[in-house]
Amino acid sequence: AQSVTQLDSQVPVFEEAPVELRCNYSSSVSVYLFWYVQYPNQGLQLLLKYLSGSTLVKGINGFEAEFNKSQTSFHLRKPSVHISDTAEYFCAVSAPDFGNEKLTFGTGTRLTIIP
Amino acid sequence: NAGVTQTPKFQVLKTGQSMTLQCAQDMNHEYMSWYRQDPGMGLRLIHYSVGAGITDQGEVPNGYNVSRSTTEDFPLRLLSAAPSQTSVYFCASISSGSSYNEQFFGPGTRLTVL
Repeated sequence: AQSVTQLDSQVPVFEEAPVELRCNYSSSVSVYLFWYVQYPNQGLQLLLKYLSGSTLVKGINGFEAEFNKSQTSFHLRKPSVHISDTAEYFCAVSAPDFGNEKLTFGTGTRLTIIP
Repeated sequence: NAGVTQTPKFQVLKTGQSMTLQCAQDMNHEYMSWYRQDPGMGLRLIHYSVGAGITDQGEVPNGYNVSRSTTEDFPLRLLSAAPSQTSVYFCASISSGSSYNEQFFGPGTRLTVL
């Protein structure tokens, strides 16, 4: 079974400052990794994904994440945040060899941008 | 395409009442699933279906029933609602048959059980 840990439940950041949201995972098999974003009162939207290949993946809205297999991490970064980035961010993992349809989510990180 | 649609958006029930949360997708996806979202717990899988007539339990199935009579629809039934089922419910669909396909989430149903 897979598990995901998001260590920070809330992250306040000043506007135009950089941000890193941390995600660590545990799995005995190879995994796919995802970041989803949930804006207030909305559903989940895929931000970016790692399937294979380059460990640095770029997503929408200027976000990127780096897959680090040795540290079992998939941290999300953005060099300069905007007010519109205020949202909750979820890291998720699936095991492609066992059907990539089942996603295991972390508990989420609420990103608050301070003007 | 409308994508994944869920009805109702909001619902208040009394303990012991029953109701059905509706989910429909128009993308001809084989795989559909139901998650619940609770504060500090992320999203947890309730039930899923890999095609019409086939369903299986996820991580937190107790208190919920599902059926899949068509590819498009995947309703979630609460037979006797309990306050512990107060949550936001998300339906998702995905196309299988490839190494990876994106999951598409509906807008959610916010359920309160008094």
